[in-house]
Amino acid sequence: AQKITQTQPGMFVQEKEAVTLDCTYDTSDPSYGLFWYKQPSSGEMIFLIYQGSYDQQNATEGRYSLNFQKARKSANLVISASQLGDSAMYFCAMREGDSGGSNYKLTFGKGTLLTVNP
Amino acid sequence: GAVVSQHPSRVICKSGTSVKIECRSLDFQATTMFWYRQFPKKSLMLMATSNEGSKATYEQGVEKDKFLINHASLTLSTLTVTSAHPEDSSFYICSARQLASSYEQYFGPGTRLTVT
Repeated sequence: AQKITQTQPGMFVQEKEAVTLDCTYDTSDPSYGLFWYKQPSSGEMIFLIYQGSYDQQNATEGRYSLNFQKARKSANLVISASQLGDSAMYFCAMREGDSGGSNYKLTFGKGTLLTVNP
Repeated sequence: GAVVSQHPSRVICKSGTSVKIECRSLDFQATTMFWYRQFPKKSLMLMATSNEGSKATYEQGVEKDKFLINHASLTLSTLTVTSAHPEDSSFYICSARQLASSYEQYFGPGTRLTVT
């Protein structure tokens, strides 16, 4: 079974509107971390936001927020007030285990290509 | 913020030759570095995890004799693609984890390898 599932290969949004990118995950480890990265056409991976499995509140970073629903194992990314520069590939990723542990691999989803229309 | 560089950013080589890609953490010490491979319009696939001073741990299906990884210092890891073939053409990305416990991996800008 896939550990990270992103069901939306592509999404379109109008400039200044909000958009939600879906991500569901699968793990039996009680300690894990969830990440969202942005990859523009240049290829660099840009860290956006992080949510730990024990965090009580949803993570927020500027226009990015993570809608963490633990029971449903979902970690959707919400981008508010979309900008043209937000057009990029977005990847959800998961780290299983404690952040201080030696095994710190990230598993990535297949990504969602977001296009912001003017 | 923490910066990771990769060199070269693009490389074209002929089949049968070897090519080395460098990954450097510029302003922090990285106990662990990771090497990923990404095919066009696909996700990142972890190839191996390297810890400074020890042998790299390769993911299942990754040929360790073909993709040689060396993590000689806390700021440098190298990936050498030996006897490259056209199917090795891909985007290779490294990431680094800081010495202190941190939830973030800092990614390099990637290296696009084309084997002709």
